[in-house]
Amino acid sequence: AQSVTQLDSQVPVFEEAPVELRCNYSSSVSVYLFWYVQYPNQGLQLLLKYLSGSTLVKGINGFEAEFNKSQTSFHLRKPSVHISDTAEYFCAVHTGGFKTIFGAGTRLFVKA
Amino acid sequence: ETGVTQSPTHLIKTRGQQVTLRCSSQSGHNTVSWYQQALGQGPQFIFQYYREEENGRGNFPPRFSGLQFPNYSSELNVNALELDDSALYLCATASGTGTGELFFGEGSRLTVL
Repeated sequence: AQSVTQLDSQVPVFEEAPVELRCNYSSSVSVYLFWYVQYPNQGLQLLLKYLSGSTLVKGINGFEAEFNKSQTSFHLRKPSVHISDTAEYFCAVHTGGFKTIFGAGTRLFVKA
Repeated sequence: ETGVTQSPTHLIKTRGQQVTLRCSSQSGHNTVSWYQQALGQGPQFIFQYYREEENGRGNFPPRFSGLQFPNYSSELNVNALELDDSALYLCATASGTGTGELFFGEGSRLTVL
């Protein structure tokens, strides 16, 4: 069975500082990997995705993530965060079946 | 703008009642999934419909049921509501390419008293 672990439930960071949100997954088959962002009282919006090819993927709002197959990780990074990045971030894995599994989420809180 | 709209946005029910939540699909997306997101948690997969047939289900009891219509819109029905059913219910569509990329609506927040 597949699973997703987001290693930090909350990440406080000062504005303009770099941030990394960590995600590890467990799967015995090839996976597609995603990061979604959820702003308060809204649905989820796709930030970026890894389907195949280059292990470094770039997404919207200056975010990027690196797929590491040997460590089964897909950490999300941004070199300089803004107040507007304050939100809940979800890592997700899909194995080509019928469902996508989400992690429990990491709340990014950007302080002025 | 994802093109996925859900209704109602908020509703309050009491234990034992029944609720129907609705979702209209983004054009061209023939697959729709429903997720339950309890407060402070990640979305949990309820079930998926493809071309009007349920083709996958998560660990939810039979009182959670659904429909998909020929225009790919969908309904989630929950019978005999329990307090623990209070959550944000998210509808997500997919284009059917098999990659799992989902397009979410803004959700329906259900409160069960």
